[in-house]
Amino acid sequence: KQEVTQIPAALSVPEGENLVLNCSFTDSAIYNLQWFRQDPGKGLTSLLLIQSSQREQTSGRLNASLDKSSGRSTLYIAASQPGDSATYLCAVFSGSARQLTFGSGTQLTVLP
Amino acid sequence: GAGVSQTPSNKVTEKGKYVELRCDPISGHTALYWYRQSLGQGPEFLIYFQGTGAADDSGLPNDRFFAVRPEGSVSTLKIQRTERGDSAVYLCASSPRLAGGLNEQFFGPGTRLTVL
Repeated sequence: KQEVTQIPAALSVPEGENLVLNCSFTDSAIYNLQWFRQDPGKGLTSLLLIQSSQREQTSGRLNASLDKSSGRSTLYIAASQPGDSATYLCAVFSGSARQLTFGSGTQLTVLP
Repeated sequence: GAGVSQTPSNKVTEKGKYVELRCDPISGHTALYWYRQSLGQGPEFLIYFQGTGAADDSGLPNDRFFAVRPEGSVSTLKIQRTERGDSAVYLCASSPRLAGGLNEQFFGPGTRLTVL
């Protein structure tokens, strides 16, 4: 059974810092990995999707990498802003059931 | 175009009652998923539809939960004899059916269910 772990559970940084969020998964037979953002009381916004054949994806200040063999992904946020404060969720799409398995998220606070 | 919509946004019910939660996927998306998210946790898979049929319902916790998608578009999640432990945010997602690993899921805002 696929399991996804995100470290740290919470992170607080001053505005302007570059930061890295970590995600690990136990079964490397994945189709893709998605990073999501969730604001309090809201749904999930897809940030980046990395297919299993890719190593990284970039969108603006965000860069996500994937090392499928080691079961790891990182989300790099450059020049963080208070508006980046949210919970960031990592999810892998795998298995014959074709479902997303989520981590518990990293709650990010960027202090002005 | 419009994203995934879910109604109601909030539902408060009493223990033992029946509830229905509705999901309108993005037009043209053939795959539809239901997830449940408890406080402080990531969403957990409930059921997956490809077209009108439930391709995988292995995540439904028990037989009080049932979902339908009769015309391959709108889906309804039905919960009978609700229990306090059913309180959670119920999320719906849709995706186009694409080959390979490009199966990006787009989520609705969720329905927050509270069972008193």
